[in-house]
Amino acid sequence: QSALTQPASVSGSPGQSITISCTGTSSDVGSYNFVSWYQQHPDKVPKLVVYGVSERPAGVSSRFSGSKSGNRAYLTISGLQAEDEADYYCCAHAGSSSFPYVFGSGTKVTVL
Amino acid sequence: EVQLVETGGGLIQPGESLRLSCAVSGFTVSNTYMGWVRQAPGKGLEWVSVIYIGGSTYYVDSVKGRFTISRDGPKNTLYLNMNSLRAEDTAVYYCLTPGGLTGAFLVWGQGTMVTVSS
Repeated sequence: QSALTQPASVSGSPGQSITISCTGTSSDVGSYNFVSWYQQHPDKVPKLVVYGVSERPAGVSSRFSGSKSGNRAYLTISGLQAEDEADYYCCAHAGSSSFPYVFGSGTKVTVL
Repeated sequence: EVQLVETGGGLIQPGESLRLSCAVSGFTVSNTYMGWVRQAPGKGLEWVSVIYIGGSTYYVDSVKGRFTISRDGPKNTLYLNMNSLRAEDTAVYYCLTPGGLTGAFLVWGQGTMVTVSS
């Protein structure tokens, strides 16, 4: 099963907004509202920042927001801060395919 | 508090076997679905295996026939038995669970490193 496609890197200045895309297919992103996003700082455990396309777990900053259109999902980080510099991975439910979930290829966010 | 603690990683030679354990606290391992994800050095996250409440199991193609996911209710522990290990299985292995969510994974263990090398 192929990984979801994400840009390798996205950068922005402090205070700006950035958006990371996650492109899948009609069998995963396009079929289910089970898209989640994970933040991973170097040598740290991944942390869930968005689930169910646009929901935030308790304790996650409102600066993180998610959306979806067709086979593409998006994570927007507004008011970019230095602590947001990390790798971000999307994940989608893939239904009755050979494996029920698929990760994205990952995006390195750099705060300039 | 919901917590996952992995153990069992280490340095192992190609072709050998290893069993990873994920000790669960704060919930019952049989009452939710759980999985294993791995991350090779400098690479992205990769699904390895998932086990559902009813016992259905799934494996990514690269480990099918070599890895087995299981759980022990009385010990409240998730396992990953890994046979015929290859160099490309070298990674940090994380166990994870939804933590009450649907279609997402809120709770992750700290990870355990598996190095396959001669």
